[in-house]
Amino acid sequence: AQSVSQHNHHVILSEAASLELGCNYSYGGTVNLFWYVQYPGQHLQLLLKYFSGDPLVKGIKGFEAEFIKSKFSFNLRKPSVQWSDTAEYFCAVNGANDMRFGAGTRLTVKP
Amino acid sequence: EAQVTQNPRYLITVTGKKLTVTCSQNMNHEYMSWYRQDPGLGLRQIYYSMNVEVTDKGDVPEGYKVSRKEKRNFPLILESPSPNQTSLYFCASSLYQGRNEQFFGPGTRLTVL
Repeated sequence: AQSVSQHNHHVILSEAASLELGCNYSYGGTVNLFWYVQYPGQHLQLLLKYFSGDPLVKGIKGFEAEFIKSKFSFNLRKPSVQWSDTAEYFCAVNGANDMRFGAGTRLTVKP
Repeated sequence: EAQVTQNPRYLITVTGKKLTVTCSQNMNHEYMSWYRQDPGLGLRQIYYSMNVEVTDKGDVPEGYKVSRKEKRNFPLILESPSPNQTSLYFCASSLYQGRNEQFFGPGTRLTVL
């Protein structure tokens, strides 16, 4: 069955630190991969997405993610986080009909 | 403004009292979906609809019903709510299923006593 795993439940960083959030998925067919962000009290917004082509994709607000097919991974990165990046981050996999989300990673950035 | 709207935003009810959460999108999207968000579990799909009159179960459909009589509306119905349905609910839509970004509504926080 299709599944998505996010390894980190809560990450705490200081401003300017680098960020990497792990995401692994399990799915047998072609997948479309997404990272969404949920700022406190708000709904989910798309950060970036990958369908095909260059496995390194860039999204909004300086985020990027790398698709590694052999590892079934789609990790999110940002070279230097800001206090305003404090939010919950969700990896999602879109297969044939449905969309599955990981459990989410809460990021707290200390000023 | 392109958006997904949900009503109500907050609801406190009692066990067994039927309720409906409405969802509407103004982007002419084919695909709509309902999720519930619980701490530590992320978002889990309840039901989805690929098009008008086409609905299908997601991961956690028990205790819920949906209908898709018009493209823009996708209400979520709880015929007999129970406390384990206390959750934050999100409606989402996308142009089609697959590569398209899903746009999310603002959420409905439901408490069942």
